[in-house]
Amino acid sequence: IAGITQAPTSQILAAGRRMTLRCTQDMRHNAMYWYRQDLGLGLRLIHYSNTAGTTGKGEVPDGYSVSRANTDDFPLTLASAVPSQTSVYFCASSRDTHNEQFFGPGTRLTVL
Amino acid sequence: GQNIDQPTEMTATEGAIVQINCTYQTSGFNGLFWYQQHAGEAPTFLSYNVLDGLEEKGRFSSFLSRSKGYSYLLLKELQMKDSASYLCAVREGDYKLSFGAGTTVTVRA
Repeated sequence: IAGITQAPTSQILAAGRRMTLRCTQDMRHNAMYWYRQDLGLGLRLIHYSNTAGTTGKGEVPDGYSVSRANTDDFPLTLASAVPSQTSVYFCASSRDTHNEQFFGPGTRLTVL
Repeated sequence: GQNIDQPTEMTATEGAIVQINCTYQTSGFNGLFWYQQHAGEAPTFLSYNVLDGLEEKGRFSSFLSRSKGYSYLLLKELQMKDSASYLCAVREGDYKLSFGAGTTVTVRA
């Protein structure tokens, strides 16, 4: 692994289903983030984690949850997907919250 | 809260210069970032300004005026590969990074 990876690359999901988007980084970065990107709206922060064991809510957290059990992994869970959660999801990490963020390749999620 | 404005689209000719402006309103400014995003790809970091003035990195330069809530990204000697979306992002406080909607730059031969 080099950098930050996300899985799956894309997914089509029925409304009401549970889904976990995976994110892993090997840069030993303390901070990690989840964004969604929608046309015309730019990137919006869903949840973040300053360090392993801590998480916080971003701008659009409703319907999403995260955990940070260790430094490398930061999964994002949709407990019961709705069509408005159709988006491209980017995971990012930074050495700490004051440094530039490195983005994963993204997950394109479609909820029908 | 944040209000970040940047133009939606810009077009320029190969070899030319383009300036992308970004204005923002924030209650706790703590730095401004510029990212480049090619279609279908992840954003990549270009520049960071926290103090007033110009930061130069090769063909790309970024300027910040905190008193005016204004920044610009200057792209010189444009190349076809510079066709992309350019995102202005403002950090408020310790962690919150708010992004503008992005400016799509099209470089024509």
